[in-house]
Amino acid sequence: EVQLVESGGGLVQPGRSLRLSCAASGFTFDDYAMHWVRQAPGKGLEWVSGISWNSGRVGYADSVKGRFTISRDNAKNSLYLQMNSLRVEDTALYYCAKVFGITMVGYYMDVWGKGTTVTVSS
Amino acid sequence: EIVLTQSPGTLSLSPGERATLSCRASQSVSSSSLAWYQQKPGQAPRLLIYGASTRATGIPDRFSGSGSGSDFTLTISGLEPEDFAVYYCQQYGSSPYTFGGGTKVEIK
Repeated sequence: EVQLVESGGGLVQPGRSLRLSCAASGFTFDDYAMHWVRQAPGKGLEWVSGISWNSGRVGYADSVKGRFTISRDNAKNSLYLQMNSLRVEDTALYYCAKVFGITMVGYYMDVWGKGTTVTVSS
Repeated sequence: EIVLTQSPGTLSLSPGERATLSCRASQSVSSSSLAWYQQKPGQAPRLLIYGASTRATGIPDRFSGSGSGSDFTLTISGLEPEDFAVYYCQQYGSSPYTFGGGTKVEIK
């Protein structure tokens, strides 16, 4: 069974850092690009960041550019999101999603994890 | 950035009725790289349609997608009780890979 399990969320003060992880199983992880998507409480979906199969291409939403860094470890079947300089507006449920392809452009998200909650508050 | 505008914001319908959801892009979406997702409360989004009109694996044929360029439609031909949810369109043809604001389909 294809599965994505996010972890690493929690309560953090503004300006601090947090690292999210996404453990993948049930498929050949290094054959696919991956994304992070977030959803603020009661709001819609927002794409955050994406990474190609070999980390050769990465992309970020303007709202997180310069603060968040996406990475992956194909040997560990894991995706990461390093979040620095967190703001109150980063509070959200963060999903990782598998892409049906080796790169982000032109390929949709076909499998989603259940998400991990990040709360930024003093 | 391609902005996706979904309408209506909320659709109030009865089971068995037909639902028509719209997604309009601020510029042409390349190669019909448009997907639709369904999200129920407390659950992750689920892929329904990709390539504007191709149903994902296991999706019932009452769901259909159409459109090209900058105008896309999701149609649910006869609403089942489990179809009442929020629906999002998303373009994956160019970064940033934007989502629409969502359409909530609620029971009338």
